[in-house]
Amino acid sequence: QVQLQESGPGLVKPSETLSLTCSVSGYPISSGYYWGWNRRSPVKGLEWIGGFYHGGSTLYNPFFKSRVNISVDTSKNQFSLRLSSVTAADTAVYYCARWSVYGSGSNRFDPWGPGTQVTVSS
Amino acid sequence: QSMLTQTPSASGTPGQRVTISCSGSSSNIGSNTVNWYQQLPGSAPKLLIYSNADRPSGVPDRFSGSKSDTSASLAISGLQSEDEADYFCAAWDDSLNGPVFGGGTKLTVL
Repeated sequence: QVQLQESGPGLVKPSETLSLTCSVSGYPISSGYYWGWNRRSPVKGLEWIGGFYHGGSTLYNPFFKSRVNISVDTSKNQFSLRLSSVTAADTAVYYCARWSVYGSGSNRFDPWGPGTQVTVSS
Repeated sequence: QSMLTQTPSASGTPGQRVTISCSGSSSNIGSNTVNWYQQLPGSAPKLLIYSNADRPSGVPDRFSGSKSDTSASLAISGLQSEDEADYFCAAWDDSLNGPVFGGGTKLTVL
């Protein structure tokens, strides 16, 4: 049974970089699937941030432009999110998830981690 | 940034059938499949329906999905108190080259 768990600071100052890690158990992330990050805020609802494929390719939401980076540590079975130059608008619950991406636009996130609250404030 | 539109709230009484709608465009629902996620209070989102109408193992058949043109619907029959949750639709968007979510519908069981 695949399980995911997010971890990282719950409070980040404006203009600094948000860094979160997703620890995966029950499945080697190097064995397949995409792995992604989403977030949910009261103002914007659910938003896709980005994801990576075990083979090395990454997909990012253009809305986040050059602020986002997703990296992977297969030795620890973890992947990480870095979001730079944060503002109060980046305050949200951040979720990692296993992401199945197929042809013809078919894709789904399953399962999700429990989520971690990140607040951007000085 | 939501590119899929959902009614913010819906309600029903136990045993009733309720329908939640999701409206998109030709670049998302119109050309790709739709997923539905259920988020219970204090929990992570859970995949409820995928590929328009398929249910993952363990999801009761009280939940059903459908799609027509640029819109999709989630139907819940035999409403139960434990169905009180937020429901989100999602679909791949060809312009974004990634998935987009609806704003969510908060379902209240009266």
